[in-house]
Amino acid sequence: LAKTTQPISMDSYEGQEVNITCSHNNIATNDYITWYQQFPSQGPRFIIQGYKTKVTNEVASLFIPADRKSSTLSLPRVSLSDTAVYYCLVTETGANNLFFGTGTRLTVIP
Amino acid sequence: DVKVTQSSRYLVKRTGEKVFLECVQDMDHENMFWYRQDPGLGLRLIYFSYDVKMKEKGDIPEGYSVSREKKERFSLILESASTNQTSMYLCASSLSGQGPDTQYFGPGTRLTVL
Repeated sequence: LAKTTQPISMDSYEGQEVNITCSHNNIATNDYITWYQQFPSQGPRFIIQGYKTKVTNEVASLFIPADRKSSTLSLPRVSLSDTAVYYCLVTETGANNLFFGTGTRLTVIP
Repeated sequence: DVKVTQSSRYLVKRTGEKVFLECVQDMDHENMFWYRQDPGLGLRLIYFSYDVKMKEKGDIPEGYSVSREKKERFSLILESASTNQTSMYLCASSLSGQGPDTQYFGPGTRLTVL
């Protein structure tokens, strides 16, 4: 499993765009990059997944450079309800074992 | 939406007791997982199952067993609970064969062993 490294915590004011970067230097050809969000006292929730370039959905955008050794989760105009822990994972097609790590704790400040 | 439910949100047990944690998913997923989550350690995989009656050890299976008699149900068993098994337990499920794995999690069971 490719190991990921991301900041332990981040603070942001409401209404700002938040970018959380994750490094995964040992990513393999078959690996995808997946982000999960976890609120207190809840299980993680899938946010977005990508292989290369840019992916956007109703929640977030994911930017992946050509070398795929890092990725950036972008949350537009965060609100207080976006306060959560965000996990970056490298997931291999068909693999069952996901490594979550400790994630990035995002705190949105009024 | 996928729904994964866990039998209890909070559970308090005594050392030495046998503990059953139940998980049910309603989307016909082949794969089911049990994790524990502890502060500073993230999520750690205990066991997973890719089919009925099939099971695979995860990263920390010691002290736990599992049972999957029906596709929708995956049980985690603590044969003799110990205080170091006090933790948040999370169940998840996923569908096989559709690209990289995306897991859907239940709300968690916070287990305290006294």
